[in-house]
Amino acid sequence: ETGVTQSPTHLIKTRGQQVTLRCSSQSGHNTVSWYQQALGQGPQFIFQYYREEENGRGNFPPRFSGLQFPNYSSELNVNALELDDSALYLCASSLVGSYEQYFGPGTRLTVT
Amino acid sequence: QQQVKQSPQSLIVQKGGISIINCAYENTAFDYFPWYQQFPGKGPALLIAIRPDVSEKKEGRFTISFNKSAKQFSLHIMDSQPGDSATYFCAASGSNFGNEKLTFGTGTRLTIIP
Repeated sequence: ETGVTQSPTHLIKTRGQQVTLRCSSQSGHNTVSWYQQALGQGPQFIFQYYREEENGRGNFPPRFSGLQFPNYSSELNVNALELDDSALYLCASSLVGSYEQYFGPGTRLTVT
Repeated sequence: QQQVKQSPQSLIVQKGGISIINCAYENTAFDYFPWYQQFPGKGPALLIAIRPDVSEKKEGRFTISFNKSAKQFSLHIMDSQPGDSATYFCAASGSNFGNEKLTFGTGTRLTIIP
């Protein structure tokens, strides 16, 4: 069984740029959620995707957007990067109807 | 608005001792309460979870105690080991489709000393 994988591991961007982060779900999982974890904080829910559609969104502006593909992998896109976007971005996969969410190792984004 | 409050912020326990971390929630729609363990530079790993229909769940050295009326739950780590040194997060979610987002506590940094 393959766990959740994310790429890239680290990323450095400049304020105002755009970034795309990628996630591959755990084998058999059809739901993907994205979380932002600022340093020293708990993860904050960004949004969830199921059947390639957004299924719930947290308190994040529209410049945070996502995609889910037919193979259940997912992308998180952030436009017009701000310094406060610097964080660990976590992807979690789950099976719809199951409570358990399994996290990937995250992508560390630094905005300068 | 913080819907899941976690304490303490940091905890130091001697090897072999019991580590106890507490959480309180406000949203009565929550009905799934997991604990995650996170090591530096890694993603959170699901440790143990409980539903409100039971008051206690034990898996190995890890036990969740749940008090529905008080809207509180806690993690107990028995016979704590240096390898347990990590940050622990409690979380909560609903179960309805579209309401499965996890709301996390602020974390507890646990250090086990020899």
